[in-house]
Amino acid sequence: GAGVSQSPSNKVTEKGKDVELRCDPISGHTALYWYRQSLGQGLEFLIYFQGNSAPDKSGLPSDRFSAERTGGSVSTLTIQRTQQEDSAVYLCASSPLWAGYGYTFGSGTRLTVV
Amino acid sequence: AQSVTQLDSQVPVFEEAPVELRCNYSSSVSVYLFWYVQYPNQGLQLLLKYLSGSTLVESINGFEAEFNKSQTSFHLRKPSVHISDTAEYFCAVSDRDSGNTPLVFGKGTRLSVIA
Repeated sequence: GAGVSQSPSNKVTEKGKDVELRCDPISGHTALYWYRQSLGQGLEFLIYFQGNSAPDKSGLPSDRFSAERTGGSVSTLTIQRTQQEDSAVYLCASSPLWAGYGYTFGSGTRLTVV
Repeated sequence: AQSVTQLDSQVPVFEEAPVELRCNYSSSVSVYLFWYVQYPNQGLQLLLKYLSGSTLVESINGFEAEFNKSQTSFHLRKPSVHISDTAEYFCAVSDRDSGNTPLVFGKGTRLSVIA
């Protein structure tokens, strides 16, 4: 597509529920990144996919967080047993091959855990 | 691991005044450097980047940043700001020699331009 598409744009969920956030990157971009943006905290790296290689999961804050990327395209970030501290904007970005090209970000999913 | 420090969380400045947003990164290894901008209620956009070559890089809307290896800095400047420059600005770094590592971002600087 023309840009990085994320859905839903807003999600309100009850504490303890599972949520799935979707990212559809730019066609042909092999690299896909998930970040979390909290007020005053900047962007926190979560996970990175590059082609068919094993993902870099080093930024995932706990084992409640997981992500997959199917067919080298669409990615889903799953948060199990959500907690109030998970409330944030979850951003997806893609780039052709490597980070030096610069990222194209999606508009994000604003997650609110109540 | 790299880290990025943006020394000012908020910068208020009057319209048509100059501005400098400061960015320092932690390691003096070869790096790629970026500035991203997030306008109110919009997503992040790439403003400018340094990969190699000239240490002074420019954006299409009048911003410039200078890579200073000895000071591990990549400060963003504009000689005369407009109301439309009001936004949050994020500095980011990636190690050139560590392969395709994700960008590390600073916490952002909120630029408020006052009429």
